[in-house]
Amino acid sequence: AQTVTQSQPEMSVQEAETVTLSCTYDTSENNYYLFWYKQPPSRQMILVIRQEAYKQQNATENRFSVNFQKAAKSFSLKISDSQLGDTAMYFCAFSMEYGNKLVFGAGTILRVKS
Amino acid sequence: ETGVTQSPTHLIKTRGQQVTLRCSSQSGHNTVSWYQQALGQGPQFIFQYYREEENGRGNFPPRFSGLQFPNYSSELNVNALELDDSALYLCASSLRQLTDTQYFGPGTRLTVL
Repeated sequence: AQTVTQSQPEMSVQEAETVTLSCTYDTSENNYYLFWYKQPPSRQMILVIRQEAYKQQNATENRFSVNFQKAAKSFSLKISDSQLGDTAMYFCAFSMEYGNKLVFGAGTILRVKS
Repeated sequence: ETGVTQSPTHLIKTRGQQVTLRCSSQSGHNTVSWYQQALGQGPQFIFQYYREEENGRGNFPPRFSGLQFPNYSSELNVNALELDDSALYLCASSLRQLTDTQYFGPGTRLTVL
């Protein structure tokens, strides 16, 4: 069974600074997808970024980028130029290639301070 | 393109009752997944429906059941409610053939007293 671990329950960052959220996972599969979702106080889960395991290049989406280390089974999220609107719970998630079931980590609360 | 919608937003039930939660998938999506998110935790997979058939189930008892309709909307039914069923229930839709990205609805907050 796949597992996802987020070891940082809470993180804080000053506005405009950079923060990195950690995620490790465990699987015996070779092909899979990894995701970061954001859940603000409004509760709606919003996709931040995704990474296909067969791609060596790290995914980027504007201020969000990942550091995907397949051998180490590590998938961290870097947020640059942090904004107050980035304050939310961030979940790392894993999905098999041909199945849509998502396995989530416990989440990291990120607070951006002005 | 409409997003995923869920109803109701909030619901209060008493132990032993039954509840039905509803989800309309994003336009063009044929797969619906349901998740339970207890307070302060990550979502847990309940089950998934693909073209009206259950396609995978998490570690939830049979009193959690579901349906998917021809228009790909879905229902989650929970019988004999227990206090531990209090949670945020999230629905997510995806287009299975092309992408594994799931798009979530705003959730239904269920409180069992």
